[in-house]
Amino acid sequence: NAGVTQTPKFQVLKTGQSMTLQCAQDMNHNSMYWYRQDPGMGLRLIYYSASEGTTDKGEVPNGYNVSRLNKREFSLRLESAAPSQTSVYFCASSEDWTSAGELFFGEGSRLTVL
Amino acid sequence: AQSVTQLDSQVPVFEEAPVELRCNYSSSVSVYLFWYVQYPNQGLQLLLKYLSGSTLVESINGFEAEFNKSQTSFHLRKPSVHISDTAEYFCAVSSPNAGGTSYGKLTFGQGTILTVHP
Repeated sequence: NAGVTQTPKFQVLKTGQSMTLQCAQDMNHNSMYWYRQDPGMGLRLIYYSASEGTTDKGEVPNGYNVSRLNKREFSLRLESAAPSQTSVYFCASSEDWTSAGELFFGEGSRLTVL
Repeated sequence: AQSVTQLDSQVPVFEEAPVELRCNYSSSVSVYLFWYVQYPNQGLQLLLKYLSGSTLVESINGFEAEFNKSQTSFHLRKPSVHISDTAEYFCAVSSPNAGGTSYGKLTFGQGTILTVHP
């Protein structure tokens, strides 16, 4: 059982380049999330999708876009990467929006923007 | 708005010693509380949670946390740690009854790195 799968695991970009982080879950979960993790700051919510067909901004959405492609997949796009977006990105899913915080996380994608 | 403060960024201990990782939260409404653990180069895993009922909650690997409403705390404890407990621990809060856009969203603390020495 794969759970939550993220690709790529590592990526180096130059300032201004674009890229998409892919996320897929095989647990038939309704809700999906993108977080970024920075040292000393914990995890901060970028965007979330409470259910298929809906997306909403989280705490730090600037510079990002998302697509809930179907129930399984939720992608995060950086249109014009900036050094401030150097971070570890985590995708997560939960059974639904009322799952009381029980999230299942992927292994993370480490992004460096030069 | 809700917030979480983890009072220690790093906690070094020796194997078989007791440990406490401190967490305080702020919220104007009722809360759910969580501890997540992150082992090196992995994603976060749920360790334990408080939703309602008994204020003392336990995990399968010997950790426990107590919800203290008057002190707005949810400290994590283990009476005897192992080398394998070395990881980063995150306290998190959600406010299920806050309504609007707060419903269901988790707010994480800054994390506490627990290092267990032999």
